[in-house]
Amino acid sequence: DQQVKQNSPSLSVQEGRISILNCDYTNSMFDYFLWYKKYPAEGPTFLISISSIKDKNEDGRFTVFLNKSAKHLSLHIVPSQPGDSAVYFCAASEDGGATNKLIFGTGTLLAVQP
Amino acid sequence: TAGITQAPTSQILAAGRSMTLRCTQDMRHNAMYWYRQDLGLGLRLIHYSNTAGTTGKGEVPDGYSVSRANTDDFPLTLASAVPSQTSVYFCASSVTRRNGELFFGEGSRLTVL
Repeated sequence: DQQVKQNSPSLSVQEGRISILNCDYTNSMFDYFLWYKKYPAEGPTFLISISSIKDKNEDGRFTVFLNKSAKHLSLHIVPSQPGDSAVYFCAASEDGGATNKLIFGTGTLLAVQP
Repeated sequence: TAGITQAPTSQILAAGRSMTLRCTQDMRHNAMYWYRQDLGLGLRLIHYSNTAGTTGKGEVPDGYSVSRANTDDFPLTLASAVPSQTSVYFCASSVTRRNGELFFGEGSRLTVL
């Protein structure tokens, strides 16, 4: 049973527009959420995170929104750039973001068209 | 800074053979992890180690073993490989055991025939 779901396998966006990547989860015990970005032939790299005590966290062009009642989080990238083209994984954890309990989603491939 | 180094980058292995994937970090992180990435399944934790001398099981530990003799090295061993272990394997480390931020290696692609 997938506890963290990314229902869109892929997304295509024009350069300069907003990219919105979505993630749903089922475990109400999750209290820390993260997004990772992965380029081909490279390992994932940490992008942004949010604690369950917040509903928004912003870092430059990247903003993560958390809706606990809907068990939903999203990553907004504004403006999107061709270099943002990658696979994006959301992840969730219990126990204050315990790193040995991270559950990853299946990933969304973002393609930003010039 | 090298960060996390994995070897080999790619390997083809006959079913039934054993294989050790190597992982070395130079960041002096206490915690280390092994994940496998499969299409449609995302990243799944195989084994982890919170500190040298200790290990723990993740989501999909069967068929794999690990050891953590020192801070820097965290090898993953497949004692008798099966085709379902065909995957891309990522080693990772973290500064703390909270906040979820992991540093990943570049991966080892393993094909079991």
